[in-house]
Amino acid sequence: DGGITQSPKYLFRKEGQNVTLSCEQNLNHDAMYWYRQDPGQGLRLIYYSQIVNDFQKGDIAEGYSVSREKKESFPLTVTSAQKNPTAFYLCASNQREAYNEQFFGPGTRLTVL
Amino acid sequence: RKEVEQDPGPFNVPEGATVAFNCTYSNSASQSFFWYRQDCRKEPKLLMSVYSSGNEDGRFTAQLNRASQYISLLIRDSKLSDSATYLCVVMTAGNKLTFGGGTRVLVKP
Repeated sequence: DGGITQSPKYLFRKEGQNVTLSCEQNLNHDAMYWYRQDPGQGLRLIYYSQIVNDFQKGDIAEGYSVSREKKESFPLTVTSAQKNPTAFYLCASNQREAYNEQFFGPGTRLTVL
Repeated sequence: RKEVEQDPGPFNVPEGATVAFNCTYSNSASQSFFWYRQDCRKEPKLLMSVYSSGNEDGRFTAQLNRASQYISLLIRDSKLSDSATYLCVVMTAGNKLTFGGGTRVLVKP
């Protein structure tokens, strides 16, 4: 079955530690995205990548980093510089043609203690 | 002003009733519009795209009003399973999606 996987589903870290969230897709999509969702709020774009080895900052990139070395993988690192990292993180992908739907992974719920 | 605004609700709807809610967007250059459904603690899933002429998918009807810069979603004959948060999503150039905060709908027996 084609889809997007994120792991782990729940993640706990101590304050000051970097943590990397995994996102893998086998949909052969060119574009991949990372969003953050806080309780009762909409999704906010952290980083996105339209093609391998290229990525752009979204609206709230500070304290995060990404890489796109392979088409199917787009890991997100939450660094210690991120002031309020506890949130629900969602990865999404779509084809690069204009204006079509994005497919989401199941999300990773990160709690920083 | 937020780029995409929604009434957070909740809209408490008796089973079988009709509910409708809107979403306003500020960027007049927005190209595509979607309604996503998100269940509690789950990922958003596409409910329907919104076309200029309006479109219907079973009990769901979406409308776009470009002049007033809003989209709407109407749910007829509400089912208990329609209880969810409905996210208004606007796409601008470069495939960038902007999400509203969501409208929570609770369908009650």
